[in-house]
Amino acid sequence: QVTLRESGPALVKPTETLTLTCTFSGFSLSSSGMCVSWFRQPPGKALEWLALIDWNADTYYSPSLKTRLTISKDTSRDQVVLTLTNLDPVDTATYYCARMTKLCSASGCFSYNCFGPWGQGTLVTVSS
Amino acid sequence: DVVLTQSPDSLAVSLGERATINCKSSQTVLYRSTNKNFLAWYQQKPGQPPKLLISWASTRESGVPDRFSGSGSGTDFTLTISSLQAEDVAVYYCQQYYTTPTFGGGTKVEIK
Repeated sequence: QVTLRESGPALVKPTETLTLTCTFSGFSLSSSGMCVSWFRQPPGKALEWLALIDWNADTYYSPSLKTRLTISKDTSRDQVVLTLTNLDPVDTATYYCARMTKLCSASGCFSYNCFGPWGQGTLVTVSS
Repeated sequence: DVVLTQSPDSLAVSLGERATINCKSSQTVLYRSTNKNFLAWYQQKPGQPPKLLISWASTRESGVPDRFSGSGSGTDFTLTISSLQAEDVAVYYCQQYYTTPTFGGGTKVEIK
């Protein structure tokens, strides 16, 4: 059974850096095709994709947030870490991680696929 | 970015009736060499994370009831719930993975 769980601070101050951890089980991020992605959802609003890391440690970022985001993995601990710098109140949201499996063939892999399962999410409030 | 526009924003349907949600993409998400549409549908119930319902525009995930179906190609897609049940009350999102992932704005489904 694949499970993911997000953890991190519930409250952070403006201008600070947010560090979130996704701890997963039921798969290995060293296996070909495996990826973990991060998303966020402001209260009452739609989902936003943030970043992705694959089994080769290749990383992909939302163009609008690329300069503020870093995603990394610790395969031995089955964890993926996301950092978001220079926080602002508009970054207040529930942050989710989810698994993705790349679709690959002899000619290569597509960069993206659909996502599932998802963790339960963690609410982060940015306020002084 | 590929912009996904969902309609309507919300709809109220009687139990047992059909619910139809539309998703229009600003560009094609059909990858011609594979003839696959890189579009998925998710269900998000209150206080819960999204759940993947349909991938490749029309492929139901394992365990998803067959009252849920997806259709469409290119830029226009539809999620249909053929006979609405009380447990289907949720917000539904489309998502494209043809390029950098983006989501539609969501459609809230309620019981009339």
